[in-house]
Amino acid sequence: AQRVTQPEKLLSVFKGAPVELKCNYSYSGSPELFWYVQYSRQRLQLLLRHISRESIKGFTADLNKGETSFHLKKPFAQEEDSAMYYCALKIVGPGGGADGLTFGKGTHLIIQP
Amino acid sequence: EAGVAQSPRYKIIEKRQSVAFWCNPISGHATLYWYQQILGQGPKLLIQFQNNGVVDDSQLPKDRFSAERLKGVDSTLKIQPAELEDSAVYLCASSSRSDRQETQYFGPGTRLLVL
Repeated sequence: AQRVTQPEKLLSVFKGAPVELKCNYSYSGSPELFWYVQYSRQRLQLLLRHISRESIKGFTADLNKGETSFHLKKPFAQEEDSAMYYCALKIVGPGGGADGLTFGKGTHLIIQP
Repeated sequence: EAGVAQSPRYKIIEKRQSVAFWCNPISGHATLYWYQQILGQGPKLLIQFQNNGVVDDSQLPKDRFSAERLKGVDSTLKIQPAELEDSAVYLCASSSRSDRQETQYFGPGTRLLVL
């Protein structure tokens, strides 16, 4: 079965410092990888997906199939980046129907002023 | 557009009681998901609907959990009877196949506490 591992429960960095949130996955095929974010008192929302290969709010993530990783990076952290971040994996089931997400446990990112 | 709606937002019940949660997806979204998020964990998929049909319920504890989406719009998730380990946030999400990227949009969740 597929699994997503986020090794850091909590990550605290100073404003302006670089940020890297780690995500490793286990799946033998070709999954889709996502980062979801949950700001305080808000609902879970998509931050970015590996297929788009875009930068959102200064964040980027590169899928490394050799290392089965999808780490989230930002060169200069801002206070408004403080939130819970979840890495998620999607596998489309046989017939193209089932496509629920498998989430990691999340990393709580705190940006100190 | 209005987001995914869920009710109630909070529910406290005693062990062995029954409880039901309601979800209204984004208008036009044919795919609906229920996730369970236990404290300190990421969301875990319970069931996925495509219109009013079940696509995946492999992780739904069917001895006590049931879900339906009779008209292919709103959905109800029921726990009968609830156990202590069911204390969690229950998240509903929806997506549209006409959205090329099929982004899943999440509701605010229902926080359940079983005493």
